[in-house]
Amino acid sequence: AQKITQTQPGMFVQEKEAVTLDCTYDTSDQSYGLFWYKQPSSGEMIFLIYQGSYDEQNATEGRYSLNFQKARKSANLVISASQLGDSAMYFCAIRQYQLIWGAGTKLIIKP
Amino acid sequence: DGGITQSPKYLFRKEGQNVTLSCEQNLNHDAMYWYRQDPGQGLRLIYYSQIVNDFQKGDIAEGYSVSREKKESFPLTVTSAQKNPTAFYLCASSNLGDRGRITNTGELFFGEGSRLTVL
Repeated sequence: AQKITQTQPGMFVQEKEAVTLDCTYDTSDQSYGLFWYKQPSSGEMIFLIYQGSYDEQNATEGRYSLNFQKARKSANLVISASQLGDSAMYFCAIRQYQLIWGAGTKLIIKP
Repeated sequence: DGGITQSPKYLFRKEGQNVTLSCEQNLNHDAMYWYRQDPGQGLRLIYYSQIVNDFQKGDIAEGYSVSREKKESFPLTVTSAQKNPTAFYLCASSNLGDRGRITNTGELFFGEGSRLTVL
């Protein structure tokens, strides 16, 4: 069975600093996808970034990048130059047919 | 604008009552999903549907029912059989690839959620 672990329940980061949110996964599949979503206090889930298991390069989307270490089964999200609007819950998920979600990390950006 | 609309945003229910949460999408997506979110936990899949008039149970389907009579609509009924229904419910949709799986980008589009409280 697939499993996602986010070990950081909460994080405080100073504005403009970079932040790394941890995500490890467990799967026996060779083909899978990894996702990060952001959930602000309004409740909706916002797609941030995707990494395929066969992608050789780390995915990047603007200030977001995914540090994909396949041998370690790790898919950490890196946010560069954090902003106050980045304060939210962040969820990592793995996909085969359906998405399996981690418990999330609450990120608070301090001014 | 294209998107997913959930209603109501807040709902209160007395014990023993059934309630129905609405989910409508105008993205022309094949697949629709219902998730439940509890504090400190990730999303858990209740039901999903890949095509009209067909749906499958997710991990926590007991006490819930759905229908998919139209491509655009996927309502969720929380029945009195659901012992702990107080939660935040999220509806989502996605395109599907050739093999019926979420496409390579895998992007799910979510509604803003419905918060159900049992009094």
